[in-house]
Amino acid sequence: AQSVTQLGSHVSVSEGALVLLRCNYSSSVPPYLFWYVQYPNQGLQLLLKYTSAATLVKGINGFEAEFKKSETSFHLTKPSAHMSDAAEYFCAVRALNSGGSNYKLTFGKGTLLTVNP
Amino acid sequence: DGGITQSPKYLFRKEGQNVTLSCEQNLNHDAMYWYRQDPGQGLRLIYYSQIVNDFQKGDIAEGYSVSREKKESFPLTVTSAQKNPTAFYLCASLRQGVGEAFFGQGTRLTVV
Repeated sequence: AQSVTQLGSHVSVSEGALVLLRCNYSSSVPPYLFWYVQYPNQGLQLLLKYTSAATLVKGINGFEAEFKKSETSFHLTKPSAHMSDAAEYFCAVRALNSGGSNYKLTFGKGTLLTVNP
Repeated sequence: DGGITQSPKYLFRKEGQNVTLSCEQNLNHDAMYWYRQDPGQGLRLIYYSQIVNDFQKGDIAEGYSVSREKKESFPLTVTSAQKNPTAFYLCASLRQGVGEAFFGQGTRLTVV
């Protein structure tokens, strides 16, 4: 079974400060991992994805995440927060089976990021 | 433009009535999903489908039904058996392989 835990349902930072959103996963096979962003009353937009290539993944809007197998983590970071980063962020895992056909996509409960001026 | 279309954006129904939410994609994706979103609960998987005429229950399938008669379409019916149907519903699709899921803009269902 696969699962995702996002530590901290609400993170508040000052504009210009480091953003760190935490995600830990559980999977019995090597996973594919994703971070999505959601603005109010909208769908989800992909920020970045890890698909077993480079462990440090760069995404849109200056975000990046590092896959750490030993820690089963995939934390999202941004060096300097901007007011427009205020949104809800979701981590997701998809663990392919040996046939490559497991399409189940599991999300964490989300972290609401607030950026203070 | 390719994408996923959910309709309507807002839907109101009386308690006890069945209601069907529409989801159409023109991305030629194999898999389609329905998620329910409630405040503080994240996205919970209702049903997903990997190919036409086949679908699997997710984590909270009770009170919901789906069909997948065409690759492009994956409608969700919220039945009267669903105890608390008021929520934001998101549809997504995904290409076979290592691709990410693409999401529609959601339907907010309110049952009164």
